[in-house]
Amino acid sequence: DADVTQTPRNRITKTGKRIMLECSQTKGHDRMYWYRQDPGLGLRLIYYSFDVKDINKGEISDGYSVSRQAQAKFSLSLESAIPNQTALYFCATAGTGWETQYFGPGTRLLVL
Amino acid sequence: GIQVEQSPPDLILQEGANSTLRCNFSDSVNNLQWFHQNPWGQLINLFYIPSGTKQNGRLSATTVATERYSLLYISSSQTTDSGVYFCAVGGYNQGGKLIFGQGTELSVKP
Repeated sequence: DADVTQTPRNRITKTGKRIMLECSQTKGHDRMYWYRQDPGLGLRLIYYSFDVKDINKGEISDGYSVSRQAQAKFSLSLESAIPNQTALYFCATAGTGWETQYFGPGTRLLVL
Repeated sequence: GIQVEQSPPDLILQEGANSTLRCNFSDSVNNLQWFHQNPWGQLINLFYIPSGTKQNGRLSATTVATERYSLLYISSSQTTDSGVYFCAVGGYNQGGKLIFGQGTELSVKP
């Protein structure tokens, strides 16, 4: 959905570099999520946030950190990138309660 | 945690054919979504359907929550239907998180 944007859309980096992936949303949602997709697999949750002061680890948080700068912005950082972090990264948002999650267009990351 | 299994893993159809994709899950859920991932990697919301039946054009979905499965029907398939279809579920104790299945890769031939 155009209401959820991710930057950059593609990124190539080298092992050991720190990089940041950014997500912005205009849907006014409180909940934001970062997922990772490896080739041929479904998405796995890295981190999620229910509001600016609430950050939670997902199932694969090692090697990642996040920052919720505002209700509309949620950033994912790779502190020291490694090749097995090469993947497609998605940001998603949802309102309160049990509602549809809306996904951004994804960021393709290649770590050399 | 909740387990999600999708079947079949791969499906090849001729244009115009119908198909049924299945999603089984291991526990009660209060969120179930179907997505289509197109060849460019974008995830497109198809249905939010924790229970009941919905239809949108050539696509429809049914979730039988008590029996822990959901079905996605594609009728009169078109080449643009190609891609991967994901089922994702969220449980009552999952805090809004979605657990994704492995997907069904659909290829529609002209």
